[in-house]
Amino acid sequence: EAQVTQNPRYLITVTGKKLTVTCSQNMNHEYMSWYRQDPGLGLRQIYYSMNVEVTDKGDVPEGYKVSRKEKRNFPLILESPSPNQTSLYFCASSPGGTGSIEQYFGPGTRLTVT
Amino acid sequence: KQEVTQIPAALSVPEGENLVLNCSFTDSAIYNLQWFRQDPGKGLTSLLLIQSSQREQTSGRLNASLDKSSGRSTLYIAASQPGDSATYLCAARSYNTDKLIFGTGTRLQVFP
Repeated sequence: EAQVTQNPRYLITVTGKKLTVTCSQNMNHEYMSWYRQDPGLGLRQIYYSMNVEVTDKGDVPEGYKVSRKEKRNFPLILESPSPNQTSLYFCASSPGGTGSIEQYFGPGTRLTVT
Repeated sequence: KQEVTQIPAALSVPEGENLVLNCSFTDSAIYNLQWFRQDPGKGLTSLLLIQSSQREQTSGRLNASLDKSSGRSTLYIAASQPGDSATYLCAARSYNTDKLIFGTGTRLQVFP
């Protein structure tokens, strides 16, 4: 089954404790991205990757890091989480960037930073 | 800077009604516009994508239109069903970027 998986689905952590949210897709897609969703603000793109070793900032990259060492994986790293990073995070993949109808989203990771 | 707005924020209708969801964008130089559906606790499902050269796209009971000159897109849902209850999001992609700018969504409830 074609899918994007994220782990963990729920995470409660404390300020400053480094964490990684994993994202994996099994469709051999070149394009992957991370979004955060906040009430009243909609989804905002954090980072995206056009292919292995190619990443670029989205609209809200501050406080986040990503890496793309393998085509299937695109982890999101929070080196020093802060309460304003409490949010619902989505990973997405597509074979042809944002112009493709085949946008696949993961189920989301709800992160709470206290 | 592209901004996308969706009105209304929430909508509740009886089953069987035809309804229209609205999406507005500030920069008319868009490459395409997409409509998504989001169910509670789940990710987004892509519904329709309209390229800048197109005026509308249809899929089953869904029809999306695009008017770049007025900065508007509409999603028409015919003969609504309780299973259509979800949040509907539109997103615009501008030229020379791979960024999708999302609206804040319309939460739709269709009651029997």
